[in-house]
Amino acid sequence: DAGVTQSPTHLIKTRGQQVTLRCSPKSGHDTVSWYQQALGQGPQFIFQYYEEEERQRGNFPDRFSGHQFPNYSSELNVNALLLGDSALYLCASSPRQPYNSPLHFGNGTRLTVT
Amino acid sequence: GIQVEQSPPDLILQEGANSTLRCNFSDSVNNLQWFHQNPWGQLINLFYIPSGTKQNGRLSATTVATERYSLLYISSSQTTDSGVYFCAVSIRAGGTSYGKLTFGQGTILTVHP
Repeated sequence: DAGVTQSPTHLIKTRGQQVTLRCSPKSGHDTVSWYQQALGQGPQFIFQYYEEEERQRGNFPDRFSGHQFPNYSSELNVNALLLGDSALYLCASSPRQPYNSPLHFGNGTRLTVT
Repeated sequence: GIQVEQSPPDLILQEGANSTLRCNFSDSVNNLQWFHQNPWGQLINLFYIPSGTKQNGRLSATTVATERYSLLYISSSQTTDSGVYFCAVSIRAGGTSYGKLTFGQGTILTVHP
């Protein structure tokens, strides 16, 4: 049973460019959440998707957008990259029911903006 | 929003020692998870424990929800226990699941042989 898978594992982009990160949830999970983890910090919630719609959003600008596909996989898009966007981006999945299910995280995508 | 404080920020142990990590949170929560992040960044779920006590091998955790804290115990520590330990909490928002976790700053554990 595959867990949460993310691609790519590493990515180097230039300031001003756009990037797309991908996530496949754990089998049986239909909810996907994205987190940003800066160096030395705890992960911060970006947004959550289920039923192909954004349901909750953290304190991130509109440059951060996402999408969920009918197979529950998800993409995170970041436009107009800034140096401060350099971080580990983590995807987490869970089932909607039962509502108190624990989150399972992928191994992350490490984004470096130069 | 919910505030999560972890202590101590850093912990250095000799192999075989025991340790206790603490997580305080500022509001009532319905979800509390402990994670271990290894040096490669992989975030591994240790416990889902919004209340009560659980044990898994050398690790155990206790959450006292009414007093808004949780403890993670590591016994007979090993070098492979090194890494960052995070506590994360959330409350249920309407009909949504617990996707919005608020993490503490973590405890950096180093276990020397």
